[in-house]
Amino acid sequence: SQTIHQWPATLVQPVGSPLSLECTVEGTSNPNLYWYRQAAGRGLQLLFYSVGIGQISSEVPQNLSASRPQDRQFILSSKKLLLSDSGFYLCAWSVQAGNSPLHFGNGTRLTVT
Amino acid sequence: AQSVTQLDSHVSVSEGTPVLLRCNYSSSYSPSLFWYVQHPNKGLQLLLKYTSAATLVKGINGFEAEFKKSETSFHLTKPSAHMSDAAEYFCVVLNAGNMLTFGGGTRLMVKP
Repeated sequence: SQTIHQWPATLVQPVGSPLSLECTVEGTSNPNLYWYRQAAGRGLQLLFYSVGIGQISSEVPQNLSASRPQDRQFILSSKKLLLSDSGFYLCAWSVQAGNSPLHFGNGTRLTVT
Repeated sequence: AQSVTQLDSHVSVSEGTPVLLRCNYSSSYSPSLFWYVQHPNKGLQLLLKYTSAATLVKGINGFEAEFKKSETSFHLTKPSAHMSDAAEYFCVVLNAGNMLTFGGGTRLMVKP
């Protein structure tokens, strides 16, 4: 069966520090991969998605970047965090076929101080 | 363009009573629809999905949803609420580009 791992679960970082959140998927090949952010009291915002190694699409201009160095690895990064980057970050995967639901990781609670 | 409206931001029910979480969508074609549940500080878990097969869809934990094209609705129901059902629920539509559009969420509270 497929599983998705996302870490760390919680993170407190000072403003201006770098960020690296990692997500890996097991049990499937060539998945679509996604990073979402969920700010307090708001819905989910799609940040990045990837349909293959090295292929990243950005949905919103922001202080963050994403990379997919391996088929089942998706990394969310920042060189310098802002206070507004605080939130709950969710990684997700889906199969490439149409009508496929997303399967989410357990999320990372990021607090920028 | 697709959109999803969850008509209630908060729903409160007593344990053992029915649950109804309302969702309306707009889509220019026959959509795929999903309901997800999110417990505090957790990821989203898929409850059920509709992909143009049976209009009444059964999911996990006793939940079900009915796709009504004439009403553009996909309401989530459960006959009897449990305390463990307290969570946030998201109605989601899959668009033509295989991307999801999320509703704003409904927080379900279950009173003992």
